[in-house]
Amino acid sequence: QQQVKQSPQSLIVQKGGISIINCAYENTAFDYFPWYQQFPGKGPALLIAIRPDVSEKKEGRFTISFNKSAKQFSLHIMDSQPGDSATYFCAAIPTGAGNMLTFGGGTRLMVKP
Amino acid sequence: NAGVTQTPKFRVLKTGQSMTLLCAQDMNHEYMYWYRQDPGMGLRLIHYSVGEGTTAKGEVPDGYNVSRLKKQNFLLGLESAAPSQTSVYFCASSSGGTYGYTFGSGTRLTVV
Repeated sequence: QQQVKQSPQSLIVQKGGISIINCAYENTAFDYFPWYQQFPGKGPALLIAIRPDVSEKKEGRFTISFNKSAKQFSLHIMDSQPGDSATYFCAAIPTGAGNMLTFGGGTRLMVKP
Repeated sequence: NAGVTQTPKFRVLKTGQSMTLLCAQDMNHEYMYWYRQDPGMGLRLIHYSVGEGTTAKGEVPDGYNVSRLKKQNFLLGLESAAPSQTSVYFCASSSGGTYGYTFGSGTRLTVV
């Protein structure tokens, strides 16, 4: 039973379009929500992150939207580029010791030229 | 470049064989983690360590053991490999709090 549910599993977007990936969680102890980007043959790398006291965070073409009451958050990639083709993972960290990340199942994004 | 180094990168084992995966970090991080990545399952935590000499179980610890004798190294052992342990294994480290993890490039393990 995954504590962080991610959708869709795969996504195809045309170059210049908007990519949207959604995540939902149940554990109200989560208080930090990072997104990771993973290219084939590489480990995941931190892309952008948000705390639940903020509803939106933007870094360049990447935006996280956060809805605390619904326990949902999403990643928007504006003006998607072929170089954005990768697997994206949402994640969550609870308060307390261990600093343990819980990951969603991942979304494989393909941006067509 | 500084970071997290995993060895080996690839390995094929026969059922019942044992092996150790090595993770080394040079960032003086206190926390280290072992994850496995399977299609559609994301990354699942196997074991983790909050400091030298400490280890703790994660979400899927069965069939694995770990040791952290030195701060910079975190070893993952498989005593008797099973086909269900075919996966890509990632090591990560962090300084704690909500700072991002640094991941290694992974070890692809196949158990036949």
